[in-house]
Amino acid sequence: DGGITQSPKYLFRKEGQNVTLSCEQNLNHDAMYWYRQDPGQGLRLIYYSQIVNDFQKGDIAEGYSVSREKKESFPLTVTSAQKNPTAFYLCASSVDREAFFGQGTRLTVV
Amino acid sequence: QKEVEQNSGPLSVPEGAIASLNCTYSDRGSQSFFWYRQYSGKSPELIMSIYSNGDKEDGRFTAQLNKASQYVSLLIRDSQPSDSATYLCAVNGAKGSARQLTFGSGTQLTVLP
Repeated sequence: DGGITQSPKYLFRKEGQNVTLSCEQNLNHDAMYWYRQDPGQGLRLIYYSQIVNDFQKGDIAEGYSVSREKKESFPLTVTSAQKNPTAFYLCASSVDREAFFGQGTRLTVV
Repeated sequence: QKEVEQNSGPLSVPEGAIASLNCTYSDRGSQSFFWYRQYSGKSPELIMSIYSNGDKEDGRFTAQLNKASQYVSLLIRDSQPSDSATYLCAVNGAKGSARQLTFGSGTQLTVLP
């Protein structure tokens, strides 16, 4: 089955910790994205990557980092510099103009 | 100023009725328009895309685009309780890549049995 796999589904972070969210796709899509969704709000772009070894900041990149060493993988690290990380994180990939999403990771700070 | 605006709802319709969801956008150069359905606690699912003025039908769904009025809508005919979800409008900027996707905050739809 082709698709986008995010893991874990739920993640708990202690204050001051870095955590990494996984995103893997087998759709052979070049472009991949990370979005953040807060309750009652739309999706906001954190980072995106159009090709391997290249990525760009989105609208809310502060406190986050990414890598794109393989076409299939686009992990997101939420660093301790992100002061309000509790949110629903969505990874997406695209072909042409349409974007498709993984199942999401719900991150909670404890 | 929000770039993509939707009525947050909640919008309630009886089963079998037509649900009408509306979205306006501010970037006159926008070229691509999408509707995503998001069930509570789940990720968005692409249900419709529309690129030119007029109507596009897919099963019970019809997307309508009016670029002059900067308005896009989604009609759901014969609404079912399983259509109860939040519907997100997304708009692509003039450059046309998914990088430029801007999402509205969504309209919550409830279909009453």
